[in-house]
Parts: sequence; C-alpha cells; structure tokens
Amino acid sequence: GQNIDQPTEMTATEGAIVQINCTYQTSGFNGLFWYQQHAGEAPTFLSYNVLDGLEEKGRFSSFLSRSKGYSYLLLKELQMKDSASYLCAVSPPILTGGGNKLTFGTGTQLKVEL
Amino acid sequence: GAGVSQSPSNKVTEKGKDVELRCDPISGHTALYWYRQSLGQGLEFLIYFQGNSAPDKSGLPSDRFSAERTGGSVSTLTIQRTQQEDSAVYLCASYVQGGSGANVLTFGAGSRLTVL
Repeated sequence: GQNIDQPTEMTATEGAIVQINCTYQTSGFNGLFWYQQHAGEAPTFLSYNVLDGLEEKGRFSSFLSRSKGYSYLLLKELQMKDSASYLCAVSPPILTGGGNKLTFGTGTQLKVEL
Repeated sequence: GAGVSQSPSNKVTEKGKDVELRCDPISGHTALYWYRQSLGQGLEFLIYFQGNSAPDKSGLPSDRFSAERTGGSVSTLTIQRTQQEDSAVYLCASYVQGGSGANVLTFGAGSRLTVL
C-alpha cells in the first residue's frame, strides 16, 4: 500500500525560512517529487530526489532520506507569492510498468504573512 | 501546444447527466495521466495512457468512468450518470523525460466539475 503524510497547513513570515516535511511508506519507491500548486492552477514541478541528500535550486531545496522514508522541502527568503499548496509525491520503481504513476500526499497549504 | 490544455475549465451539471472532459497534452508526449483532486484530498490517480492504450486503469472509481485517447494525442474522460460525489477537479498530465533523469509530469489547470 501507499501512505504519504504531510502537514495540512503551515504559516510563516515573509523573509523567513520554512521546512515542509513529508514521510512515506510505500510498497515500492523510485524517487520523490515536490510540486507547487496555487489555488485554481496547475501543479508545477519544483524538485525531484532519487538519491539521499540535499538538492538545492535557488530559494528552494529538497532533501531525501530513503532509509527513513522522509523528505523535506525548504523554502528560504519567503515571498508572499510562495503562498500555495505544496504536494509531495512518490514515484514507483521503473520496472512496475506504471510509467511515472505518482502517488500524492494531501498537500501542505502554506500561508506567508507580512 | 506549449502546455497541457484542458476543457472545459468549469462544468456544472445535474445529477444523472453525462459529462466529457477533454485533455490536449504537450505535443509529442506519449504518456498521459488523469488524476482527480477533491476538496481536502490528495491527487487521486485515475488512468494512464501510453500512446493510445491504457496499461493502467486501476484508479477509475466505477464503471461510470471511462477514458479514451486517439491519435496518441487528445484524451477524453467521460463520466456517465454523474453523482454528487463525482464533484472534483479533474487534472490531466503528460510526461517528459527530464534532463536529470526525472520523468516530470506536466499538469493542466484542470476541469472543475460540480454535480448538483
């Protein structure tokens, strides 16, 4: 089975740093995606981790620990436009034949305040 | 096209009516996915196409739901005899091989279905 947990809501202050955690228990695992989704819009790709460690991309970084079934998304120098839902998603092993059938968590709604 | 296009963006229908939702993926993307997003829920996988065939239909919630893809491009998701619990945003995504080896799904903005 698949179980992906992330906090429902978080609030942070403009200019601050926020860490959004994601834990997963899945029957198969290849890699972990983070997507950003503004209300009424398409989810957009932020990051992908397949190996343990930290991937940095501008103000956004993503971390993965395969042994712990744990990932986080780190957002630095928060801006008001970062207010959105952040979706954690797990991709299956390539040989399962499911293409890139992602399993998503329920998303973390981040509110950035002045 | 430049992105994944979905239509209609909003659909309000009466219980018992049939609806068709359309997805136009990024040109050249062979893989296409349908997901459903209900209020307070994560994205729920419905069906996956590789070309015109659907190797995985496991997420379709009932036999009222069907989907097809023609010409390896446009896909239509059909919901027959709609029920109120079908109200959700239906998202379509297509698939590109990323430079880092990631196979990144690119999503459309979705079709919001409201069943009265």
